[in-house]
Amino acid sequence: GNSVTQMEGPVTLSEEAFLTINCTYTATGYPSLFWYVQYPGEGLQLLLKATKADDKGSNKGFEATYRKETTSFHLEKGSVQVSDSAVYFCALVGGATNKLIFGTGTLLAVQP
Amino acid sequence: NAGVTQTPKFQVLKTGQSMTLQCAQDMNHEYMSWYRQDPGMGLRLIHYSVGAGITDQGEVPNGYNVSRSTTEDFPLRLLSAAPSQTSVYFCASRPLTLAGGGGGTDTQYFGPGTRLTVL
Repeated sequence: GNSVTQMEGPVTLSEEAFLTINCTYTATGYPSLFWYVQYPGEGLQLLLKATKADDKGSNKGFEATYRKETTSFHLEKGSVQVSDSAVYFCALVGGATNKLIFGTGTLLAVQP
Repeated sequence: NAGVTQTPKFQVLKTGQSMTLQCAQDMNHEYMSWYRQDPGMGLRLIHYSVGAGITDQGEVPNGYNVSRSTTEDFPLRLLSAAPSQTSVYFCASRPLTLAGGGGGTDTQYFGPGTRLTVL
């Protein structure tokens, strides 16, 4: 079945550091890929998405490129801020069931 | 639009008690789902629905029941609560995309969550 694997956290960075959170997936066919973010005490909200190979999703300075050859969708940001501290979830939708499958989440803590 | 709403925000139950977590959306989305979030395990799908009168099981359905009598509402029922059901529960909705074999491209919208503790 479909699955998502993302790097374990927590990831602790200083403000203005470069961020990479790795995400790889297993799926049949051509899934759509998503990054969701959960700020403390809140629900999840969509950060960015890509629906086909080589697409780049971007939002709020974050980027991720759909790499079918490596089955990856790594999240990057060139300069993180304290306000980026949150849990980040990689997810996919694929196949006939339309189910959104999540990775385990990566906690990012950005220190001033 | 209120989006996806959930009630209550917090709930404490004793083992064996029953309760219903409410979820409603005002975006006319066909697809609705329930997840539970546990530390180190991400979000796991409990049940989902592709429209009124249609529900199906997700990854962890045991101990939970759902029904979908209207497009707007998708309640989650715990018939006999157990400590293992202590978790944060999220309801979500999105349009149902059936083109191309079913792979959805639409954004899924989440409610604010219900924090449930079973003693």
